Amino acid sequence: AQKITQTQPGMFVQEKEAVTLDCTYDTSDQSYGLFWYKQPSSGEMIFLIYQGSYDEQNATEGRYSLNFQKARKSANLVISASQLGDSAMYFCAMREEYSGGGADGLTFGKGTHLIIQP
Amino acid sequence: DGGITQSPKYLFRKEGQNVTLSCEQNLNHDAMYWYRQDPGQGLRLIYYSQIVNDFQKGDIAEGYSVSREKKESFPLTVTSAQKNPTAFYLCASSIVGRGVYNEQFFGPGTRLTVL
Repeated sequence: AQKITQTQPGMFVQEKEAVTLDCTYDTSDQSYGLFWYKQPSSGEMIFLIYQGSYDEQNATEGRYSLNFQKARKSANLVISASQLGDSAMYFCAMREEYSGGGADGLTFGKGTHLIIQP
Repeated sequence: DGGITQSPKYLFRKEGQNVTLSCEQNLNHDAMYWYRQDPGQGLRLIYYSQIVNDFQKGDIAEGYSVSREKKESFPLTVTSAQKNPTAFYLCASSIVGRGVYNEQFFGPGTRLTVL
């Protein structure tokens, strides 16, 4: 079973509209962290936002916010007032404290390709 | 400027050849990682290292090897045993000891093509 599921392979959004990118995760750990990364066409991965499983408040970073619904195992990224420069691939990722098999890496979803239209 | 550099940006290999991808960081991070990305896919962990002279296999280590002789450097060798090496390879680094908060900083990547 996939640990990170991103159900939207691609999205088209009008400039200045808000965007919600879906992410659901699967873990039996109580302690875990959720991350969102942006990957422009150049290929580098840019860290956007982090949410810890014990954080009571939803994370926010500028125009990015994370809609964290722990009971539903959902961690959707919300981009407010989208801009043309937001066009990119977006990846949700998770770090589990124990179930990662000791690996210190992140487990990534397959991504959502977001295209902002003028 | 602190960051991660990867070289070369593009690499072409003939079947049966080993190739080594370079990754250098000047962020003073203890942990370094190698990921592979195939078209339309997310990143998959190949190897990681939390300290010099020590490294661990990730999810898809077969056909790859690494070394960590210096804190700043974590080269990846793609061996001839890797059956489908054409992919985009990303190196990352992070601080250790922060629990599940594991923000990783990524390099610009190396695109490897097997001819």
